[in-house]
Amino acid sequence: GAVVSQHPSRVICKSGTSVKIECRSLDFQATTMFWYRQFPKQSLMLMATSNEGSKATYEQGVEKDKFLINHASLTLSTLTVTSAHPEDSSFYICSARGTGRTYEQYFGPGTRLTVT
Amino acid sequence: QKEVEQDPGPLSVPEGAIVSLNCTYSNSAFQYFMWYRQYSRKGPELLMYTYSSGNKEDGRFTAQVDKSSKYISLFIRDSQPSDSATYLCAMISPSGTYKYIFGTGTRLKVLA
Repeated sequence: GAVVSQHPSRVICKSGTSVKIECRSLDFQATTMFWYRQFPKQSLMLMATSNEGSKATYEQGVEKDKFLINHASLTLSTLTVTSAHPEDSSFYICSARGTGRTYEQYFGPGTRLTVT
Repeated sequence: QKEVEQDPGPLSVPEGAIVSLNCTYSNSAFQYFMWYRQYSRKGPELLMYTYSSGNKEDGRFTAQVDKSSKYISLFIRDSQPSDSATYLCAMISPSGTYKYIFGTGTRLKVLA
């Protein structure tokens, strides 16, 4: 149980285009979803927290107009990287928190974004 | 000063060795402590969690929390090459938002 999927697993796009990444909780309802960014050999950096039906809360330094987050249902959240640039190339990971054991986050497998 | 400090390694050990991984933290309000394992290019998976101080054992893994010293440890007994991964400690922010604060991760390599 408690499986989180991400799609796509990897994507290559050209500079200036937008990319959407989906995060789904497959067997539980996710009250809260989190989006992280991870650079090579570095830890996970929280970008934003999204609650179903509410606007996302972004961490300091994260541009909300560039990283659009939508959490329209209890099983789906999306991250759209708008007008992507090479410096946005990174590993993006989502996690989901259910309504049961409220402290535990279940992580997706990650999406590797490469902007050329 | 970072809220959570973790030695990035890399740490190389022979197969069968006991591995000790550690994190220190500065916020005494932390109550929940987690250890995640992350293989290369994969998402983290939860290994152990503890609440407040004490020890917790699960198979070859033991998690220890010493709140008085603001120090947590993960011990891996009889380490295997398949344990080679990055180990991340995480703590839940006491802000009520359920946000995790991660350490930088320690890269472990178990040599066959």
